[in-house]
Amino acid sequence: EAEVAQSPRYKITEKSQAVAFWCDPISGHATLYWYRQILGQGPELLVQFQDESVVDDSQLPKDRFSAERLKGVDSTLKIQPAELGDSAMYLCASSSRTGKGNEQFFGPGTRLTVL
Amino acid sequence: DAKTTQPNSMESNEEEPVHLPCNHSTISGTDYIHWYRQLPSQGPEYVIHGLTSNVNNRMASLAIAEDRKSSTLILHRATLRDAAVYYCILRAPGGGFKTIFGAGTRLFVKA
Repeated sequence: EAEVAQSPRYKITEKSQAVAFWCDPISGHATLYWYRQILGQGPELLVQFQDESVVDDSQLPKDRFSAERLKGVDSTLKIQPAELGDSAMYLCASSSRTGKGNEQFFGPGTRLTVL
Repeated sequence: DAKTTQPNSMESNEEEPVHLPCNHSTISGTDYIHWYRQLPSQGPEYVIHGLTSNVNNRMASLAIAEDRKSSTLILHRATLRDAAVYYCILRAPGGGFKTIFGAGTRLFVKA
């Protein structure tokens, strides 16, 4: 069964350092999402891509976060510099199309700890 | 953005049905109601979705109120593997149908 792949699974870094997370969506899925999930809370959408274009990044802290999906397939989320409050689970999801009724498939996430 | 309200936690006995409620009084006429669940240390997984009519699939049933201001996820026979956080979310139009998660309901299943 096809799955969304993410790496690394765990990342520990010091504040002010740069970190990057990678996501490979299910083959053929045009829509890709990055979420941040703080412990005890639901996931919060950071950025959504349709193919290689950003369709929603309203919740992305653009002073330190960036995301790209250059060829419309895999994607990278970067944080520079990392802050203590960035400690969270970063989840990637994909769906076959941007519709109200289609399901999103989530990866296992990357757990980031900022010291 | 439309919001949902769910109880923080619920408890069920194994093999018994579970009814997980969700209120979404500000839902718009074009919003779909989705349910996802998140097992410990995993990403969320899709459970079911609907618009107006009740829906059934192999995992659960979704009962939607006639005025669409509330819905109920029904697990017909809870198992220990159903212990998870259940999220009721609305797929809101705009920004490519943004998905907004709330805090969800943590379901505890007792053997």
